[in-house]
Amino acid sequence: KAGVTQTPRYLIKTRGQQVTLSCSPISGHRSVSWYQQTPGQGLQFLFEYFSETQRNKGNFPGRFSGRQFSNSRSEMNVSTLELGDSALYLCASSWTLAGLSYEQYFGPGTRLTVT
Amino acid sequence: AQSVSQHNHHVILSEAASLELGCNYSYGGTVNLFWYVQYPGQHLQLLLKYFSGDPLVKGIKGFEAEFIKSKFSFNLRKPSVQWSDTAEYFCAVNLISSGSARQLTFGSGTQLTVLP
Repeated sequence: KAGVTQTPRYLIKTRGQQVTLSCSPISGHRSVSWYQQTPGQGLQFLFEYFSETQRNKGNFPGRFSGRQFSNSRSEMNVSTLELGDSALYLCASSWTLAGLSYEQYFGPGTRLTVT
Repeated sequence: AQSVSQHNHHVILSEAASLELGCNYSYGGTVNLFWYVQYPGQHLQLLLKYFSGDPLVKGIKGFEAEFIKSKFSFNLRKPSVQWSDTAEYFCAVNLISSGSARQLTFGSGTQLTVLP
């Protein structure tokens, strides 16, 4: 099985712009989660989607949003970029049973640099 | 809110030394526990997981971890490390009995450097 894929792998944006990141989960996985990884804050949970619905959301401002499509692919969007949004954004997918998600498998991430 | 603590930020060992990395979590309910590893330039990989049953779990590459519920701990061990084990190790906890059941909370990570 192919792993979790994320596109693009690298992005450079300017403050005030917006960005959309894409994630394709492992085939058969219906739960997709997003994380932000920075040297200072470590790995922080952004949100989780299952069956096109956001089930959980972390403590991030409303500039961070996401969605999931019927094929389980997911996108996240960051509007009005700030310098502090520079980070590695990780997507993870997991299989589910009775609505509960199990171990998560991570993609390589998208490295976002905001200048 | 739940939290996960990894007290060792950087561990330096010589090859063949034994490894134990500490992980403690703060939630008193039912949890799933994980260790992930991030090798230089690579993405996070699952090392091992605990859902229920035998509290001693074995993972890939000779790693194992022991869940001690009374101590809220899930320490990672390896009897003899190799230079190729140099990586950052993350402990993660998933609550399974609340509305945030599907959210992984990560520790801050431990950088392991193995000297040849």
